[in-house]
Amino acid sequence: GNSVTQMEGPVTLSEEAFLTINCTYTATGYPSLFWYVQYPGEGLQLLLKATKADDKGSNKGFEATYRKETTSFHLEKGSVQVSDSAVYFCALIGFSGGYNKLIFGAGTRLAVHP
Amino acid sequence: DTGVSQDPRHKITKRGQNVTFRCDPISEHNRLYWYRQTLGQGPEFLTYFQNEAQLEKSRLLSDRFSAERPKGSFSTLEIQRTEQGDSAMYLCASSPTSPGSSYNEQFFGPGTRLTVL
Repeated sequence: GNSVTQMEGPVTLSEEAFLTINCTYTATGYPSLFWYVQYPGEGLQLLLKATKADDKGSNKGFEATYRKETTSFHLEKGSVQVSDSAVYFCALIGFSGGYNKLIFGAGTRLAVHP
Repeated sequence: DTGVSQDPRHKITKRGQNVTFRCDPISEHNRLYWYRQTLGQGPEFLTYFQNEAQLEKSRLLSDRFSAERPKGSFSTLEIQRTEQGDSAMYLCASSPTSPGSSYNEQFFGPGTRLTVL
């Protein structure tokens, strides 16, 4: 079945450090891939998405490239800020009977210190 | 319409009681989803509506759980005879059906946090 595996957290970084959060997936067909972010006390927000191989999603300085050959969608940011502290979820749209339910990874908590 | 809303935001109940949650999706969205998120985990799919039709239910949705979307607008999720294992965040999301830039994107509400004592 479809699944998402992402690196365990917490990830602790100093401000302005480079961020990578690894995400790999297993899916039939050609899923759409997403990164969602959950700030403390808030709901899930879509951070970025990619709908086909080699697409790069980007938003707020974050980027992720859909790599079909390695079934990966790693999240990167060149210089993190304290305000980026949150839990990040990698997800894919799994088509089951034609219905587009999201399948999430377990989440990676990021803590950025000044 | 500023987004998906859920009510209540928090619910504390005693084991064995029934609880009902409400979700109001973005008005032009025909698709509505319920997910459950336990501590330290990603959200897990529970059920899906296209308009008023419930088209898919997860095996996670036991007989004690029922969801409705009677007029194709708001939805309710009811849990009967709650158990401590039902304690979780219940998330609602909606998405458009018309092709466009937001197609396949799900917009989430703030969630209802349930605590069963």
